Amino acid sequence: DTGVSQDPRHKITKRGQNVTFRCDPISEHNRLYWYRQTLGQGPEFLTYFQNEAQLEKSRLLSDRFSAERPKGSFSTLEIQRTEQGDSAMYLCASSLASAGVKEAFFGQGTRLTVV
Amino acid sequence: GEDVEQSLFLSVREGDSSVINCTYTDSSSTYLYWYKQEPGAGLQLLTYIFSNMDMKQDQRLTVLLNKKDKHLSLRIADTQTGDSAIYFCAEEIKAAGNKLTFGGGTRVLVKP
Repeated sequence: DTGVSQDPRHKITKRGQNVTFRCDPISEHNRLYWYRQTLGQGPEFLTYFQNEAQLEKSRLLSDRFSAERPKGSFSTLEIQRTEQGDSAMYLCASSLASAGVKEAFFGQGTRLTVV
Repeated sequence: GEDVEQSLFLSVREGDSSVINCTYTDSSSTYLYWYKQEPGAGLQLLTYIFSNMDMKQDQRLTVLLNKKDKHLSLRIADTQTGDSAIYFCAEEIKAAGNKLTFGGGTRVLVKP
């Protein structure tokens, strides 16, 4: 296992288009988190899953955002009708629920640019 | 409420010690973390401290926690040019699904 993998690494899209990102966690990790990091800021929590259940969503996650983890393995984050304010790095992390964040690993992120 | 604050920038000479400070507001945090982020790279966990400890040392890194003042610091001894990066402190709240609340990051520039 090579760690948390995110695809694509970079995405440029026109305003109003839909985009989808994928995160492949470390295989035995049952928790999966999505964070967003805008330029010059720290990452902000968006949502997390335990297995396939989405247990919490931040108020930052507007109706245009949807995340899924259908089989409790990989996850997708979709943004509909993208806006320039959606431009950010989208980070995924995974961990074992029993171990908590101290054994969580982050992917390298997907950088989204909305033009 | 959740709020984590850090100073924006620190400049230090190679070989000196660096001290990065952080304040947080949520007293129910369980662990506090320091992450390093280099340009184009993901977040790398440097070290963490359990909330009932007041100090942790890990090679060149020393974490100090003042729980009463909700103040966390990271000291890097013998700072090297490879330590130039953005450093984030973060608090984990177990009751909130172990999610992390990050500070805005401190950019550390090490001058030769």
